[in-house]
This record gives sequence, C-alpha cells and structure tokens, in this order.
Amino acid sequence: GAGVSQSPRYKVAKRGQDVALRCDPISGHVSLFWYQQALGQGPEFLTYFQNEAQLDKSGLPSDRFFAERPEGSVSTLKIQRTQQEDSAVYLCASSPTGHNSYEQYFGPGTRLTVT
Amino acid sequence: QKEVEQNSGPLSVPEGAIASLNCTYSDRVSQSFFWYRQYSGKSPELIMSIYSNGDKEDGRFTAQLNKASQYVSLLIRDSQPSDSATYLCAVSHSNYQLIWGAGTKLIIKP
Repeated sequence: GAGVSQSPRYKVAKRGQDVALRCDPISGHVSLFWYQQALGQGPEFLTYFQNEAQLDKSGLPSDRFFAERPEGSVSTLKIQRTQQEDSAVYLCASSPTGHNSYEQYFGPGTRLTVT
Repeated sequence: QKEVEQNSGPLSVPEGAIASLNCTYSDRVSQSFFWYRQYSGKSPELIMSIYSNGDKEDGRFTAQLNKASQYVSLLIRDSQPSDSATYLCAVSHSNYQLIWGAGTKLIIKP
C-alpha cells in the first residue's frame, strides 16, 4: 500500500517568504507527527495530531510555525516569514494508533533551504 | 529535559564482524524503545522495537534493554556494507511522543 508522502521534496525560499509543506499520511492512521531534522542530528519533535486534534505543539520553534490537519488526514505545516535558521529537513510521520508503543512510519521529508 | 544519548561515531566495523551500538536515556518511566536506521538523504525506518528487559532477536539484529541501567543497545551480526547508515535510538516520552538521539554513524568496511 501507499506509504507516507510529502511535498514538495525540496523547497528553496528567500528569507521572509512563507512556505507550506504538505503531508499525506497512511490512510486510516490516527497519529501524525511533524519533526525537524538538522544535519547530523536526530528528529526534533514539532507537533502532534490525533485525528484532526492538535494535541501538542510544544516543539514549534516560534509563532511563525503553524500546522493543521482539518479533516484528520492530510496535514500542512506552514512557516511564515522564513529565516535562515529554518533551513532543515521537515519529516512527517504517521502511526496507526494514538500510543507511542507503535511504529512511526516516515515520509521522505521536505528539504527546506532558506537563502 | 529528557535526553537520549548516543555516540555520534563514526563507528567503523569490518564486514562480517559484529557491530555494537549503544544508547542511554534519562527518563526512568520510559516504556518503549526503538532503533531506526537512516540512510544518507533518506527518512528513518524501524529496525527493532523492545519493551521489556533482556534481549530481542530478529534475524541479524539483536536489541538489548536494561531499564535499571537505562541503556538500550543494538547488535548487528555478520555486518554487511549495506548496513552502513546512521542508527537512531528513540525512547518513549508521554503517551505518544518519542525522544530521539542524534544517531550513530556506522561504516562497514568490505
């Protein structure tokens, strides 16, 4: 079956531009996570959705970051007024349940470069 | 601040030998532990999960968990060049969240 997909795969933005990153989780998966991964580091948690509810956004670095999952499937991570420090790979992962004892399935990521 | 620590490496192992990867964690109440493999430029994929003390074997991979000492390890037997990757340790925190280590880069030399 289809895995997690993300688009675009690569995004170059000028500093100050707004960007929107899309995640299509595995169909029927309850949980959806957004992570930020810098080079040579592990994924850093950004936000968590259980169905359409955003239960945790404690990892969002600033109020320029906003995420939504309005119908409990596709999710969008939006970054306003991008800064150079936002350059990273943004990973989306989904999981069949709402408990962390289950595997998270990752999408291929979106590599964001802010110039 | 809950932490997961891994040696960044690189860890260089000859082909056919055993690769041993280690991870320590700070949250004593963590219950679920995962090893993910990440090839360069790719996303993480699950290798092993372990939930109770002791060893868990799956093919060439063995995960070991010691909750008293707060460490989890991954052994890869008969290492192959295709095992060359970064191995990420992830530990449960809260009901849904995982805390991730920075990963150990493993290089298998033919």
